[in-house]
Amino acid sequence: SQTIHQWPATLVQPVGSPLSLECTVEGTSNPNLYWYRQAAGRGLQLLFYSVGIGQISSEVPQNLSASRPQDRQFILSSKKLLLSDSGFYLCAWSVLANEQFFGPGTRLTVL
Amino acid sequence: RKEVEQDPGPFNVPEGATVAFNCTYSNSASQSFFWYRQDCRKEPKLLMSVYSSGNEDGRFTAQLNRASQYISLLIRDSKLSDSATYLCAQGSGGYQKVTFGTGTKLQVIP
Repeated sequence: SQTIHQWPATLVQPVGSPLSLECTVEGTSNPNLYWYRQAAGRGLQLLFYSVGIGQISSEVPQNLSASRPQDRQFILSSKKLLLSDSGFYLCAWSVLANEQFFGPGTRLTVL
Repeated sequence: RKEVEQDPGPFNVPEGATVAFNCTYSNSASQSFFWYRQDCRKEPKLLMSVYSSGNEDGRFTAQLNRASQYISLLIRDSKLSDSATYLCAQGSGGYQKVTFGTGTKLQVIP
């Protein structure tokens, strides 16, 4: 069966610090991978998606970036965090028919 | 207009009641729709997929109305454990992206 891992689970970072969140998927090959952010009391905002190694599509211009160095690894990064980057970051995968399955998420607080 | 719109609620219903949520969408070309359940401070979990007119799984029924561009979720015999936020989503024609609504909060009361 497929599983998706995200870490860390929670993170508190000062403004201006860098960020690296990692997501890995097991039990499937060549998945589509997604990064979402969910701000407090708001909906899921798609940040990036990837259909293959090295292929990244950005949905929202901002100070975040994503990379996919391996088939089942997706990384979300920032060089300098802003207060507005606080939120619940969710990684998701899909293979067929759009059904997306989410990881446990990382709750980021920028102070 | 948002691509996917939901009534945020909350819907407060007694145990055993039947409750229905509607979700309107704007992309008439979409072929796939989804309902997710999200518990507080947890990730969304797929509840049901809808590709034609509807789908049923136990106490849960989803129906798609293409003419009016909405999808509904019906929960029968509500349980306390059904309390959560329910997210509606529609897939893009390219089978790569899904657009989510902001969710409807359900609180089942003893």
